[in-house]
Amino acid sequence: GENVEQHPSTLSVQEGDSAVIKCTYSDSASNYFPWYKQELGKGPQLIIDIRSNVGEKKDQRIAVTLNKTAKHFSLHITETQPEDSAVYFCAELGGNEKLTFGTGTRLTIIP
Amino acid sequence: GAGVSQSPSNKVTEKGKDVELRCDPISGHTALYWYRQSLGQGLEFLIYFQGNSAPDKSGLPSDRFSAERTGGSVSTLTIQRTQQEDSAVYLCASSSGLAGQETQYFGPGTRLLVL
Repeated sequence: GENVEQHPSTLSVQEGDSAVIKCTYSDSASNYFPWYKQELGKGPQLIIDIRSNVGEKKDQRIAVTLNKTAKHFSLHITETQPEDSAVYFCAELGGNEKLTFGTGTRLTIIP
Repeated sequence: GAGVSQSPSNKVTEKGKDVELRCDPISGHTALYWYRQSLGQGLEFLIYFQGNSAPDKSGLPSDRFSAERTGGSVSTLTIQRTQQEDSAVYLCASSSGLAGQETQYFGPGTRLLVL
């Protein structure tokens, strides 16, 4: 079945530095890869997504890269700020039209 | 509405009781999803609706769990004879259901505690 591995599980970054979270997947039919941010006590919120026909997408301080050959995709946050502290989840939409989520990364920005 | 809403936001119940959780999707969204998130864990898929039908019930953990959707809008997730291991956050999401518009928008969740 589909499997998404996400690393690291926790990440602490000095404010202003960059943070990178990586995910690998197994379903070669996957064609849509969203990233969600979840703050304490709230539901996940979409922050960026990428489709399989694109290798990179950027939105201000956030970027996502996709390597379909290697079956991995990464989230990059530059110039981190305290409000970036949250749990981040990657996900992939497989051939069965179902989103499979990674296990999450708890990002802490140190002021 | 402006976003996905869920009720109640919190529910405390005694072991063995039945509970019903409600989800109101974004207006016009035909696809609706239920997930379960245990403390500090990722999201576990439970069930998916397209309109009123559920083509994928594969994630329901046992026959104590059921869900329905009527009128192509509101959905309810029912857990019968609750057990302590059912304690979790139950999240609902909706999407437009159209090809190329796969983004799922999540509600705030219902935090269920079974004593």
